[in-house]
Amino acid sequence: GAGVSQSPSNKVTEKGKDVELRCDPISGHTALYWYRQSLGQGLEFLIYFQGNSAPDKSGLPSDRFSAERTGGSVSTLTIQRTQQEDSAVYLCASSLQGAKGEQYFGPGTRLTVT
Amino acid sequence: QQQVKQSPQSLIVQKGGISIINCAYENTAFDYFPWYQQFPGKGPALLIAIRPDVSEKKEGRFTISFNKSAKQFSLHIMDSQPGDSATYFCAAKVGYALNFGKGTSLLVTP
Repeated sequence: GAGVSQSPSNKVTEKGKDVELRCDPISGHTALYWYRQSLGQGLEFLIYFQGNSAPDKSGLPSDRFSAERTGGSVSTLTIQRTQQEDSAVYLCASSLQGAKGEQYFGPGTRLTVT
Repeated sequence: QQQVKQSPQSLIVQKGGISIINCAYENTAFDYFPWYQQFPGKGPALLIAIRPDVSEKKEGRFTISFNKSAKQFSLHIMDSQPGDSATYFCAAKVGYALNFGKGTSLLVTP
């Protein structure tokens, strides 16, 4: 079946602009996760959704980052007033059995802030 | 604070050889230890995972060895092939967030 999909695959934006990154989880997966992968920091957890609720937002790097999930499916990660340090690959994952399930990752969105 | 430490950073193995990647952790509450394989331009793909109630798990050419008392676990790739050349990440989890190691870049030479 279809895996996790993310769009766009690449995004180049100017410093100070807002960006939206989209994630479509595997159908039926109730849990959704966002991670960030950068050269300096490796893979970092950002936020977790169970259904449409995000019980823990403490992984978000700053208040410029926000995320939402609607209909228990698609999620959007929004970065406002982008900075060069936001340049990274943003990965989405989903799991079937909530927090205990195996996490399956999408291909990521490569964000470059110029 | 890096909760999972992974070594080596890079590894070169000849075709047919055994690749060994090691990870260590501090948080004894971790209860799930997966390994992910990542090719350039792709997302991490789940390879194999273990829970702390077993000391070893084998799937095909891939084996996880787990030492609870030492708080260490390792990935062994038997009969390594050039197609195994990728970056490998260990991770550990309690709750929902995966804590990843920094990754090991594996190159299998023909």
